[in-house]
Amino acid sequence: GENVEQHPSTLSVQEGDSAVIKCTYSDSASNYFPWYKQELGKRPQLIIDIRSNVGEKKDQRIAVTLNKTAKHFSLHITETQPEDSAVYFCAASIVGNNDMRFGAGTRLTVKP
Amino acid sequence: NAGVTQTPKFRVLKTGQSMTLLCAQDMNHEYMYWYRQDPGMGLRLIHYSVGEGTTAKGEVPDGYNVSRLKKQNFLLGLESAAPSQTSVYFCASTRQHYNEQFFGPGTRLTVL
Repeated sequence: GENVEQHPSTLSVQEGDSAVIKCTYSDSASNYFPWYKQELGKRPQLIIDIRSNVGEKKDQRIAVTLNKTAKHFSLHITETQPEDSAVYFCAASIVGNNDMRFGAGTRLTVKP
Repeated sequence: NAGVTQTPKFRVLKTGQSMTLLCAQDMNHEYMYWYRQDPGMGLRLIHYSVGEGTTAKGEVPDGYNVSRLKKQNFLLGLESAAPSQTSVYFCASTRQHYNEQFFGPGTRLTVL
Protein backbone atom coordinates (compact mmCIF):
# COMPACT_ATOMS: atom_id res chain seq x y z
CA GLY A 1 0.00 0.00 0.00
CA GLU A 2 0.87 3.68 -0.10
CA ASN A 3 3.47 4.94 2.34
CA VAL A 4 3.85 8.65 3.11
CA GLU A 5 6.89 10.01 4.92
CA GLN A 6 7.01 13.54 6.28
CA HIS A 7 9.97 15.66 7.40
CA PRO A 8 10.87 17.29 9.66
CA SER A 9 8.86 16.10 12.65
CA THR A 10 9.38 19.45 14.39
CA LEU A 11 10.21 22.85 12.96
CA SER A 12 10.83 26.09 14.78
CA VAL A 13 11.10 29.43 12.94
CA GLN A 14 11.13 33.12 13.79
CA GLU A 15 8.07 35.15 12.94
CA GLY A 16 8.40 36.45 9.39
CA ASP A 17 10.64 33.63 8.22
CA SER A 18 9.59 30.92 5.77
CA ALA A 19 8.82 27.32 6.67
CA VAL A 20 9.08 24.29 4.39
CA ILE A 21 7.70 20.82 5.11
CA LYS A 22 8.45 17.92 2.79
CA CYS A 23 6.66 14.65 2.09
CA THR A 24 7.48 11.67 -0.06
CA TYR A 25 5.10 8.99 -1.26
CA SER A 26 5.66 5.49 -2.58
CA ASP A 27 2.82 4.78 -5.00
CA SER A 28 3.30 6.50 -8.36
CA ALA A 29 -0.46 6.09 -9.02
CA SER A 30 -1.35 8.59 -6.27
CA ASN A 31 -2.84 11.72 -7.76
CA TYR A 32 -4.31 13.79 -4.91
CA PHE A 33 -2.18 15.45 -2.22
CA PRO A 34 -3.89 17.50 0.52
CA TRP A 35 -2.33 19.33 3.46
CA TYR A 36 -4.14 19.62 6.77
CA LYS A 37 -3.49 21.92 9.73
CA GLN A 38 -4.36 20.82 13.24
CA GLU A 39 -4.22 23.29 16.10
CA LEU A 40 -3.81 21.95 19.62
CA GLY A 41 -6.94 20.10 20.74
CA LYS A 42 -8.77 20.85 17.49
CA ARG A 43 -9.79 18.89 14.44
CA PRO A 44 -7.65 18.77 11.26
CA GLN A 45 -8.65 21.29 8.61
CA LEU A 46 -7.67 21.40 4.95
CA ILE A 47 -5.41 24.33 4.08
CA ILE A 48 -4.43 23.49 0.50
CA ASP A 49 -4.41 20.55 -1.89
CA ILE A 50 -2.91 19.70 -5.25
CA ARG A 51 -3.71 17.20 -7.97
CA SER A 52 -1.06 15.41 -10.00
CA ASN A 53 -1.79 17.34 -13.18
CA VAL A 54 -0.52 20.53 -11.51
CA GLY A 55 3.05 21.27 -10.42
CA GLU A 56 2.39 24.15 -8.03
CA LYS A 57 -0.51 25.82 -6.30
CA LYS A 58 -0.56 29.00 -4.20
CA ASP A 59 -3.05 30.51 -1.79
CA GLN A 60 -1.83 33.76 -0.25
CA ARG A 61 1.08 32.84 2.08
CA ILE A 62 0.95 29.10 1.49
CA ALA A 63 2.00 27.10 -1.54
CA VAL A 64 2.42 23.47 -2.42
CA THR A 65 4.79 22.04 -5.02
CA LEU A 66 4.68 18.56 -6.50
CA ASN A 67 7.46 16.60 -8.18
CA LYS A 68 5.84 13.49 -9.66
CA THR A 69 9.11 12.10 -10.97
CA ALA A 70 10.75 12.18 -7.56
CA LYS A 71 7.44 11.39 -5.79
CA HIS A 72 7.65 14.22 -3.34
CA PHE A 73 5.62 17.31 -2.52
CA SER A 74 6.25 20.22 -0.20
CA LEU A 75 4.33 22.84 1.75
CA HIS A 76 5.78 26.35 1.80
CA ILE A 77 4.60 28.99 4.28
CA THR A 78 5.99 32.49 3.82
CA GLU A 79 5.97 35.40 6.28
CA THR A 80 5.09 33.06 9.13
CA GLN A 81 2.95 34.33 12.00
CA PRO A 82 2.44 32.95 15.53
CA GLU A 83 -1.03 31.72 14.52
CA ASP A 84 0.65 29.41 11.99
CA SER A 85 1.89 27.36 14.96
CA ALA A 86 0.19 23.95 14.67
CA VAL A 87 0.76 20.39 13.48
CA TYR A 88 0.68 20.01 9.70
CA PHE A 89 -0.14 16.73 7.97
CA CYS A 90 0.42 15.80 4.36
CA ALA A 91 -1.55 13.02 2.73
CA ALA A 92 -1.66 11.06 -0.51
CA SER A 93 -4.56 9.33 -2.14
CA ILE A 94 -4.38 6.19 -4.27
CA VAL A 95 -6.25 6.18 -7.57
CA GLY A 96 -9.13 3.70 -7.63
CA ASN A 97 -8.90 3.22 -3.88
CA ASN A 98 -10.70 5.52 -1.46
CA ASP A 99 -7.93 5.11 1.07
CA MET A 100 -6.06 8.22 2.22
CA ARG A 101 -2.61 7.85 3.77
CA PHE A 102 -1.29 10.58 6.05
CA GLY A 103 2.22 11.52 7.02
CA ALA A 104 3.18 11.46 10.70
CA GLY A 105 2.90 15.24 11.01
CA THR A 106 5.18 18.25 11.54
CA ARG A 107 4.87 20.40 14.63
CA LEU A 108 5.57 23.98 13.52
CA THR A 109 6.36 26.59 16.14
CA VAL A 110 6.57 30.24 15.10
CA LYS A 111 8.39 32.33 17.69
CA PRO A 112 7.30 35.97 18.03
CA ASN B 1 -25.32 23.40 9.70
CA ALA B 2 -23.61 21.38 12.43
CA GLY B 3 -21.15 19.84 9.94
CA VAL B 4 -19.63 16.64 11.35
CA THR B 5 -20.42 15.71 14.93
CA GLN B 6 -19.15 12.85 17.08
CA THR B 7 -20.59 11.20 20.18
CA PRO B 8 -19.22 10.84 22.82
CA LYS B 9 -16.35 13.33 23.26
CA PHE B 10 -14.60 11.28 25.93
CA ARG B 11 -14.88 7.71 27.14
CA VAL B 12 -12.98 5.43 29.50
CA LEU B 13 -13.41 1.68 29.05
CA LYS B 14 -12.08 -1.37 30.81
CA THR B 15 -10.36 -4.08 28.79
CA GLY B 16 -12.95 -6.35 27.20
CA GLN B 17 -15.82 -3.86 27.26
CA SER B 18 -17.61 -2.86 24.09
CA MET B 19 -18.78 0.49 22.81
CA THR B 20 -20.01 2.31 19.73
CA LEU B 21 -18.86 5.69 18.50
CA LEU B 22 -21.36 7.68 16.47
CA CYS B 23 -20.50 10.05 13.64
CA ALA B 24 -23.17 12.20 12.05
CA GLN B 25 -22.97 14.67 9.15
CA ASP B 26 -25.61 17.01 7.77
CA MET B 27 -23.87 17.91 4.50
CA ASN B 28 -25.34 15.06 2.44
CA HIS B 29 -21.85 13.66 1.86
CA GLU B 30 -21.45 10.25 0.25
CA TYR B 31 -18.07 9.35 1.71
CA MET B 32 -17.38 8.89 5.39
CA TYR B 33 -14.21 7.78 7.21
CA TRP B 34 -12.99 6.72 10.63
CA TYR B 35 -9.40 7.50 11.63
CA ARG B 36 -7.38 7.03 14.75
CA GLN B 37 -4.69 9.49 15.78
CA ASP B 38 -1.79 8.42 17.94
CA PRO B 39 1.24 10.53 18.93
CA GLY B 40 3.92 10.54 16.24
CA MET B 41 1.84 8.44 13.84
CA GLY B 42 -0.47 10.89 12.17
CA LEU B 43 -3.95 9.82 11.14
CA ARG B 44 -4.52 6.18 10.21
CA LEU B 45 -7.62 5.06 8.37
CA ILE B 46 -9.64 2.36 10.15
CA HIS B 47 -12.68 1.88 7.89
CA TYR B 48 -14.51 3.95 5.35
CA SER B 49 -17.78 4.04 3.45
CA VAL B 50 -18.53 5.24 -0.07
CA GLY B 51 -22.28 5.27 0.42
CA GLU B 52 -25.22 4.08 2.47
CA GLY B 53 -25.01 0.36 3.12
CA THR B 54 -21.37 0.00 2.01
CA THR B 55 -18.20 -0.21 4.10
CA ALA B 56 -14.58 -1.11 3.45
CA LYS B 57 -11.40 -1.73 5.42
CA GLY B 58 -8.68 0.85 5.71
CA GLU B 59 -5.12 0.63 6.95
CA VAL B 60 -5.79 -0.57 10.53
CA PRO B 61 -9.22 -2.32 10.65
CA ASP B 62 -8.51 -5.12 13.14
CA GLY B 63 -10.58 -4.95 16.33
CA TYR B 64 -13.14 -2.56 14.84
CA ASN B 65 -16.42 -2.91 12.98
CA VAL B 66 -18.52 -0.28 11.23
CA SER B 67 -21.99 0.22 9.85
CA ARG B 68 -23.58 2.80 7.55
CA LEU B 69 -27.30 2.12 7.72
CA LYS B 70 -28.19 5.75 7.03
CA LYS B 71 -26.33 8.11 4.74
CA GLN B 72 -25.81 10.68 7.47
CA ASN B 73 -24.46 8.29 10.12
CA PHE B 74 -21.33 6.16 10.36
CA LEU B 75 -20.87 4.00 13.44
CA LEU B 76 -17.59 2.58 14.73
CA GLY B 77 -17.79 -0.37 17.10
CA LEU B 78 -15.27 -1.93 19.42
CA GLU B 79 -16.45 -5.41 20.39
CA SER B 80 -13.78 -6.14 23.01
CA ALA B 81 -11.66 -3.11 23.82
CA ALA B 82 -7.91 -3.45 24.33
CA PRO B 83 -5.40 -0.95 25.78
CA SER B 84 -3.84 -0.68 22.28
CA GLN B 85 -7.08 0.99 21.17
CA THR B 86 -6.47 3.96 23.44
CA SER B 87 -6.42 6.82 20.97
CA VAL B 88 -8.21 9.86 19.63
CA TYR B 89 -10.77 8.87 17.00
CA PHE B 90 -11.77 11.23 14.22
CA CYS B 91 -14.62 10.85 11.81
CA ALA B 92 -14.57 12.66 8.46
CA SER B 93 -16.84 13.08 5.48
CA THR B 94 -16.53 14.35 1.93
CA ARG B 95 -18.77 14.84 -1.08
CA GLN B 96 -16.39 13.14 -3.49
CA HIS B 97 -13.15 11.34 -2.80
CA TYR B 98 -10.85 14.00 -4.21
CA ASN B 99 -12.45 16.80 -2.27
CA GLU B 100 -11.80 18.28 1.14
CA GLN B 101 -12.49 15.96 4.05
CA PHE B 102 -14.42 17.61 6.88
CA PHE B 103 -13.46 16.25 10.27
CA GLY B 104 -15.48 15.89 13.43
CA PRO B 105 -14.20 17.18 16.79
CA GLY B 106 -12.79 13.80 17.83
CA THR B 107 -13.45 11.26 20.58
CA ARG B 108 -10.77 10.62 23.17
CA LEU B 109 -10.94 6.95 24.20
CA THR B 110 -8.94 5.43 27.02
CA VAL B 111 -8.91 1.67 27.58
CA LEU B 112 -7.63 0.59 30.98
